[in-house]
Amino acid sequence: GDSVTQMEGPVTLSEEAFLTINCTYTATGYPSLFWYVQYPGEGLQLLLKATKADDKGSNKGFEATYRKETTSFHLEKGSVQVSDSAVYFCALSYNFNKFYFGSGTKLNVKP
Amino acid sequence: GAGVSQSPRYKVAKRGQDVALRCDPISGHVSLFWYQQALGQGPEFLTYFQNEAQLDKSGLPSDRFFAERPEGSVSTLKIQRTQQEDSAVYLCASSLKAGVQDTQYFGPGTRLTVL
Repeated sequence: GDSVTQMEGPVTLSEEAFLTINCTYTATGYPSLFWYVQYPGEGLQLLLKATKADDKGSNKGFEATYRKETTSFHLEKGSVQVSDSAVYFCALSYNFNKFYFGSGTKLNVKP
Repeated sequence: GAGVSQSPRYKVAKRGQDVALRCDPISGHVSLFWYQQALGQGPEFLTYFQNEAQLDKSGLPSDRFFAERPEGSVSTLKIQRTQQEDSAVYLCASSLKAGVQDTQYFGPGTRLTVL
């Protein structure tokens, strides 16, 4: 079946540190891949997406590359800020009608 | 309102009670989704509507769960004879188009606690 696996959190970093949150997927076809973010007290928001292999999604300094050969979509940011503290969810979808989410990774950034 | 709204935000029910959770999507959005998010987990798909048509209900965990969107706008998720395992946050999301590359906008969720 289709599923997404994320690294467990929480991840705690100092401000300006480099961030990687690992995401791997299992898919029966060729899905689109997504990162969603949930800031404290807010709803889920789309952070970035990639719709085919080797595509790179980017937004707000975050990047993720769709790697078909390793079935991965790792989230990276070169220099995190305190305001990046949130829960990050990796997800996949084939037709944008049904999404499969990972269990989420909490990021804490300390000043 | 600019975003997806859900009501109530919090609901406490005794085991065996029926509950109804409401979702008001963004006006004009064709697609509407319901998800269940257990504590410490990611959202799990429950059902999908395109306008008033329920095109996918494969994620509904049992026949105690029922969703409707009779006029293609507001949707209600009903849970009959609630059980403790139904305790979760229920998320609603909507998107403007159907089945294409389009952003889902999520509501704040309804936290259901079954005692």
